[in-house]
Amino acid sequence: DQQVKQNSPSLSVQEGRISILNCDYTNSMFDYFLWYKKYPAEGPTFLISISSIKDKNEDGRFTVFLNKSAKHLSLHIVPSQPGDSAVYFCAASATTGANNLFFGTGTRLTVIP
Amino acid sequence: DVKVTQSSRYLVKRTGEKVFLECVQDMDHENMFWYRQDPGLGLRLIYFSYDVKMKEKGDIPEGYSVSREKKERFSLILESASTNQTSMYLCASKVGGAYEQYFGPGTRLTVT
Repeated sequence: DQQVKQNSPSLSVQEGRISILNCDYTNSMFDYFLWYKKYPAEGPTFLISISSIKDKNEDGRFTVFLNKSAKHLSLHIVPSQPGDSAVYFCAASATTGANNLFFGTGTRLTVIP
Repeated sequence: DVKVTQSSRYLVKRTGEKVFLECVQDMDHENMFWYRQDPGLGLRLIYFSYDVKMKEKGDIPEGYSVSREKKERFSLILESASTNQTSMYLCASKVGGAYEQYFGPGTRLTVT
């Protein structure tokens, strides 16, 4: 049963505009969330994270928003650049236990020049 | 910089062969993981290891086994490869207690 869901398999955005990638989760024990970026033929690389005690975390062009009541998080990329074209995975973890990550199915972002 | 390396980028094996995928990390991380990535299914955890000689099943351990004899090395073994094990295999490691995992470049395995 998929505890972390990314319902949009793909997203296309014009260069310079905002990209919004969405993620939903079902397990209320999750209290830490991460976004990974993956290029073809490479392993995922960590992008940004957020703890459940916050509702926003920003790092340069990347901002992650967390809505705990809705069990929803989103990644905003502003402005989008062609180099941002990749698959983005949302991941979640619970502090109790091993801190293992549960991954979503990924969203392929294409930024059109 | 954390470096996680995997022994092969591409591998082609025949059905029934025993397959070894090797992963080495150079940051003295306690925890190591094996995932497979398939289109539309994301990353699914096969096995993980908290420490040397310790292993735990993930979500899809059937048809796989693992070995961790040294802290820096975590091996994934397909005892008898089948076509449904054709996939991208990703190794990761992390510090015990941390959240962020560091991934290797992946091994694209094709079983014919």
